[in-house]
Amino acid sequence: SFELTQPPSVSVSPGQTASITCSGDKLGDKFACWYQQQPGQSPVLVIYQDNKRPSGIPERFSGSNSGNTATLTIGGTQAMDEADYYCQAWDSSTAVFGGGTKLTVL
Amino acid sequence: QVQLQESGPGLVKPSQTLSLTCTVSADSISSGAYYWSWIRQHPGKGLEWIGYIHYSGSTYYNPSLKSRVTISVDTSKNQFSLRLSSVTAADTAVYYCARQSVAVAAGDWFDPWGQGTLVTVSS
Repeated sequence: SFELTQPPSVSVSPGQTASITCSGDKLGDKFACWYQQQPGQSPVLVIYQDNKRPSGIPERFSGSNSGNTATLTIGGTQAMDEADYYCQAWDSSTAVFGGGTKLTVL
Repeated sequence: QVQLQESGPGLVKPSQTLSLTCTVSADSISSGAYYWSWIRQHPGKGLEWIGYIHYSGSTYYNPSLKSRVTISVDTSKNQFSLRLSSVTAADTAVYYCARQSVAVAAGDWFDPWGQGTLVTVSS
């Protein structure tokens, strides 16, 4: 079955660029989305269709998807960006989520 | 802005049926522009998609749960519901409802999500 693999954790210093990867077989042939989940809150869409930002999402959030890897990039990372991030794609009409990455800003 | 709110029992006994309802405000399920999904998150774990429904009644379920899941819609109340039968402790999770945007080439996304409701399966 189709699986999406994310690193369990990523650390970044404030003001630096954070990159979170999501790997899956031929993921680049599909669309990838990204969700941010703050502790105790529900997920929020930050990137859809590989690289589109919903209204209200800061420009520092960007996405790319090619080959077997989708990447969420957060430029100029802020303390408020510390959260869990999940990638998501569709395979055979089924939504599949990655295991999540905890982003620590320190 | 559109809001979704889950409701239902927070405690269900093993082997019984879990039933939740999602009430949608500031959007009409009957518009047909979206699908409406259920997603769950086991404590401290990742996200698992359960399935979706369209206002027409068309549904699609995660194959891993298909035999136990029923999603229905009540357009008169602007609600959709989840029933999960024969629950076990493994079904203990936070259950979210979400609006699913329909896109070409399977590029659907989930936005927004409800606040989630914790359902515990225990005797």
